[in-house]
Amino acid sequence: GQQLNQSPQSMFIQEGEDVSMNCTSSSIFNTWLWYKQDPGEGPVLLIALYKAGELTSNGRLTAQFGITRKDSFLNISASIPSDVGIYFCAGPDNAGNMLTFGGGTRLMVKP
Amino acid sequence: KAGVTQTPRYLIKTRGQQVTLSCSPISGHRSVSWYQQTPGQGLQFLFEYFSETQRNKGNFPGRFSGRQFSNSRSEMNVSTLELGDSALYLCASRGQGMNTEAFFGQGTRLTVV
Repeated sequence: GQQLNQSPQSMFIQEGEDVSMNCTSSSIFNTWLWYKQDPGEGPVLLIALYKAGELTSNGRLTAQFGITRKDSFLNISASIPSDVGIYFCAGPDNAGNMLTFGGGTRLMVKP
Repeated sequence: KAGVTQTPRYLIKTRGQQVTLSCSPISGHRSVSWYQQTPGQGLQFLFEYFSETQRNKGNFPGRFSGRQFSNSRSEMNVSTLELGDSALYLCASRGQGMNTEAFFGQGTRLTVV
């Protein structure tokens, strides 16, 4: 089945720093989704990407759909303490039904 | 528009018991998927229901089952609980179409003792 490799697994940064994480796959995805999960809560959708090369922003967050359709990047600018959480990339299977998730990037921000 | 609602939020069960979890999707959404999340395994797909039919199934034993009702509400059941079933169970609803996003509920934290 499809697999998503997400890196880094964890990051510990200083408040105000920029953050970058990525997701790669051996197969092509037609959609990339980025989620954030706070402890004990369900993942919340941050950004959805539908077109190769697409660059989309949501406040301090920017995500890109790789040209090869096999990767995606999420950047967070000027991090703040509430950015702490686990960030997941996800993409649907070929039929568009089942979502495959990356292993997550745990972000910790030091005030 | 109400979000995805999962009940209960927390549950403690004993080994060997069975449990039923409930999920009400966003109004108008007909697809409901279930995921198991554990610290070591990440988000693992259990199954997906669409219009009362199981459309996809993950690699879980037959002790895990589910169903969907005509109003799109879904339940999942785990029988003969094992300690390893302790996890956060998440449900996600999606609208129709190929490129629709999934919206998650807050999850049910199941602890098996």
